[in-house]
Amino acid sequence: DIQMTQSPSAMSASVGDRVTITCRASQGISNYLAWFQQKPGKVPKRLIYAASSLQSGVPSRFSGSGSGTEFTLTISSLQPEDFATYYCLQHNSYPRLTFGGGTKVEIK
Amino acid sequence: QLQLQESGPGLVKPSETLSLTCTVSGGSISSSSYYWGWIRQPPGKGLEWIGSIYYSGSTYYNPSLKSRVTISVDTSKNQFSLKLSSVTAADTAVYYCANLYLFDIWGQGTMVTVSS
Repeated sequence: DIQMTQSPSAMSASVGDRVTITCRASQGISNYLAWFQQKPGKVPKRLIYAASSLQSGVPSRFSGSGSGTEFTLTISSLQPEDFATYYCLQHNSYPRLTFGGGTKVEIK
Repeated sequence: QLQLQESGPGLVKPSETLSLTCTVSGGSISSSSYYWGWIRQPPGKGLEWIGSIYYSGSTYYNPSLKSRVTISVDTSKNQFSLKLSSVTAADTAVYYCANLYLFDIWGQGTMVTVSS
């Protein structure tokens, strides 16, 4: 089974900060990785697919990079509405899936 | 526009079987070459994939739950279902059904509490 290690598990940041979240796969997954944002009580929302492709309608301050085993989600300038929990999802072993443990981005 | 809706009891007793159904609207469950899935999220915790099913009935399960999970499909009703047996408090969670093509279509989620 493919394991996804996401870091950090939580972070505090200020509006305007550049934020980077990392997911590491236990084995190579090519670019079969998606990033999701989840706000309290809401359904997860896909931000990035194929590791680096931006979902339509998602602000360009969000970007994804990586391939193989290491992936990054970057928010270039954190906005108030970006405070949420972020998850990576690998689907290289589709239809077997693995989520990362999540990163909670809180207000400093 | 494809939409998914979970339904089922919100309270299940320990040791019993949790049963949920996902109804697909706006499209046919058997019209495309992708899987449908169940995902859960315990309160305050992360997302966990439970299992996936194809309209033909082919299934894949999370190894950690495999001994207790059954996912089935009813193409005539455009539904797929989840059964989780021998539940404990650790199975208390929001349960989501989802379309596993682009991972961008989820049901709204249904909270299931395991308690006597």
